[in-house]
Amino acid sequence: DAGVIQSPRHEVTEMGQEVTLRCKPISGHNSLFWYRQTMMRGLELLIYFNNNVPIDDSGMPEDRFSAKMPNASFSTLKIQPSEPRDSAVYFCASSPLDAETQYFGPGTRLLVL
Amino acid sequence: KQEVTQIPAALSVPEGENLVLNCSFTDSAIYNLQWFRQDPGKGLTSLLLIQSSQREQTSGRLNASLDKSSGRSTLYIAASQPGDSATYLCAVRGGGSNYKLTFGKGTLLTVNP
Repeated sequence: DAGVIQSPRHEVTEMGQEVTLRCKPISGHNSLFWYRQTMMRGLELLIYFNNNVPIDDSGMPEDRFSAKMPNASFSTLKIQPSEPRDSAVYFCASSPLDAETQYFGPGTRLLVL
Repeated sequence: KQEVTQIPAALSVPEGENLVLNCSFTDSAIYNLQWFRQDPGKGLTSLLLIQSSQREQTSGRLNASLDKSSGRSTLYIAASQPGDSATYLCAVRGGGSNYKLTFGKGTLLTVNP
């Protein structure tokens, strides 16, 4: 199994630009999670999907952030417009339904100048 | 709101030493607790998972304990090796159907040859 795949691995952009992060979960996994990791706040859950439906987006910081899961094998996290404080590592994780743990992708390191 | 604290934030030890990493959480109504390992530029890998009804779990040189009533967990690493150098994160999952993982900020471990 290829594991959770994220792209791009690194992204450098300028303030005000739109950023789209992509995730392919492990085949057969029903749940998908987007996290953000910063030195100050650690690892925080942004949004959780179950069977492609957003269940909890209470961690999404503001309206500039949006996430979609059009099918079971693909999800996007979009930031528009991006700001320097959005600089962080964004992780996608997936798990089978009711699984005990989550399987993390390698992350996308985002730098907004 | 669940809060997870890890002490120390960083630890440097010589190869061969036994060591203990600490994790504390504020809400004892947890479903399980996990220890993850994070290597630079990589995602998280689950090391050990302890159910709320268990006291400890072991895998090779790793042993994790859980004292739910006091809100504490420890990760014991025996005979440390340079390959153990990484950031170790503790995460708790809420009780009931709460899927959410709350992470500590991690302990950066360096094992010197």
